[in-house]
This record gives sequence, C-alpha cells and structure tokens, in this order.
Amino acid sequence: SQQGEEDPQALSIQEGENATMNCSYKTSINNLQWYRQNSGRGLVHLILIRSNEREKHSGRLRVTLDTSKKSSSLLITASRAADTASYFCATESGGSNYKLTFGKGTLLTVNP
Amino acid sequence: DAGVTQSPTHLIKTRGQQVTLRCSPKSGHDTVSWYQQALGQGPQFIFQYYEEEERQRGNFPDRFSGHQFPNYSSELNVNALLLGDSALYLCASSLTGGPEDIQYFGAGTRLSVL
Repeated sequence: SQQGEEDPQALSIQEGENATMNCSYKTSINNLQWYRQNSGRGLVHLILIRSNEREKHSGRLRVTLDTSKKSSSLLITASRAADTASYFCATESGGSNYKLTFGKGTLLTVNP
Repeated sequence: DAGVTQSPTHLIKTRGQQVTLRCSPKSGHDTVSWYQQALGQGPQFIFQYYEEEERQRGNFPDRFSGHQFPNYSSELNVNALLLGDSALYLCASSLTGGPEDIQYFGAGTRLSVL
C-alpha cells in the first residue's frame, strides 16, 4: 500500500521557473526522503529530512516537513530541462534503514 | 566505487515460468531491499535481507522469495509468473547501523510477462 500521496500528479513549467511538489503521508515517520527517477529507470536520492527537522536545503532543492499535518514539500528553484523526471517522496518508519514507503510520484516536465 | 548493479536489464517470460533477478550492493553496504514498481506507480517494498536472512517483508505472496549471499549480493526469485508481475524490479542497498539512512538504488530489471 502507498503511504505517501504526491500532489500534483503532473506539473509542467518553463525553464527558470520554480517547481513545488507536495507529499502527504498517513503514519508517524522517522524520516522522509525525496527521490528522482528518469524515464522509468533507477531512483536517485535527492534529500532526507528527519522527523525533528522542519526545513532542509541542498543546492537548488528546499524541503519542508510539517509532522503535525503529515506533509512535506519539495521546491526546485530555477528549474532546468534536465530536471524533467518523476519525483517521489518516501517515508521510513520503524527502525533505521527499514523499508521505504513511496507515493505515486509527480511527473515534472521543464520546457526549454 | 561501483554503485548498485542489477542483472539482467530486461527479461521476457511467459505465464507460469520462474525468474531470478540479481543484485550486487554498493561497496561497503550489507543490506539489500527489493521493490516492485508497476507502470505509473511508486515502488512497493517486497522484502529486505540482512545477514543472509529476510528481515522485513512487504505484502507480497510466497511466490516471491529471495536470498542473500555471504558477499551481500542478493537474488529475487518469482515462481509461477502472472501477467500482473510485469514491472520494474528495483534493488536498493544500504548499511545497517551506518551514519546515513539512505538506500541507493540500481537501474532496475524490467520484467515482461506474456
């Protein structure tokens, strides 16, 4: 079963614009992670935010976490055509390095 | 430093057959997890192996089984294939007790069941 739900399901923007994707989940978590997937291939880890953190930055990525609302957002600033991919949030509950529960993903298209 | 490698890349089988997928973890990792990703969906956890034993299991039938070898590599076996088993199978590795809670994924094996 899917834990997270990403919103929107698809997003199309122009190069240079910012892209915001949201994720909601159902149960308590240890951490929430965002992954990128190009053309149905392997997943690339982008960023991890722990349950006691509220915001985290990595390059052009900004992630927020609101555990009271069980939601997270991923912001990609100054988007590039190479950012075109599917983005998934994944939650980890229970112990460390335990299973990840993924949402259905957001398909981001960045038009040049 | 080799990342997670999976073989084969693509596989075509017919209903009722059996299949074995293979995974070599990232150097230094000791834990391997397997995920199934149907078209248009997010990955779903199948099971995780640590110290050559299944540590966790998702909601998959017993037709799905696995193994971890002393060198930490792993196999996923699926018996009595169904059409619905067609998917991308992803392997992820991590280090239990390590400093980061990140799973590194391979490029996947795309299985088509005809």
